[in-house]
Amino acid sequence: KQEVTQIPAALSVPEGENLVLNCSFTDSAIYNLQWFRQDPGKGLTSLLLIQSSQREQTSGRLNASLDKSSGRSTLYIAASQPGDSATYLCAVKAGTASKLTFGTGTRLQVTL
Amino acid sequence: DTGVSQNPRHKITKRGQNVTFRCDPISEHNRLYWYRQTLGQGPEFLTYFQNEAQLEKSRLLSDRFSAERPKGSFSTLEIQRTEQGDSAMYLCASSLKERSSGNTIYFGEGSWLTVV
Repeated sequence: KQEVTQIPAALSVPEGENLVLNCSFTDSAIYNLQWFRQDPGKGLTSLLLIQSSQREQTSGRLNASLDKSSGRSTLYIAASQPGDSATYLCAVKAGTASKLTFGTGTRLQVTL
Repeated sequence: DTGVSQNPRHKITKRGQNVTFRCDPISEHNRLYWYRQTLGQGPEFLTYFQNEAQLEKSRLLSDRFSAERPKGSFSTLEIQRTEQGDSAMYLCASSLKERSSGNTIYFGEGSWLTVV
């Protein structure tokens, strides 16, 4: 059974800092991995999707990496802003027709 | 395109009552998913449809839960004889059938259920 873990559970950084969020998964036989953002009481917004054959994806200030063999992914946020404050969730998909398995998320607060 | 739409956004019901949530996916998406999320946890998979066919159901989906997607467009999730443990946010998501590049899954804003 796939298990996804995210560390740290919560993180507070001052504005302008670069930061890294970690995601690990127990079964390396994944199809893809997605990073999502969730604001309090809201749904999920997809940030980046990495296919199992890819090593990284970039979008603006966000960069996600994937090391499938070690079961790890990182989400790098450059020059953090207060608007980045949210919970960040990673999720893995085992195959084309399967569900996403989510971690419990990292709650990020970027302070002024 | 307005994205994935869910109704109602909030529902408070007494224990033992039935509730129904509706999801309207992105119009061209043929896959539709239901997830449940409790405070401080990541979403947990409940069930998914490809067109009108329900292809996978989680063991979390007890016999009090039923989901339908009668014409392969909108979907409903009904919970019968609600229990306090059913209190959660119910999330709907949709995507296109997978291509080799993989497809992003898009989530709605969720429907909050409180059972009192």
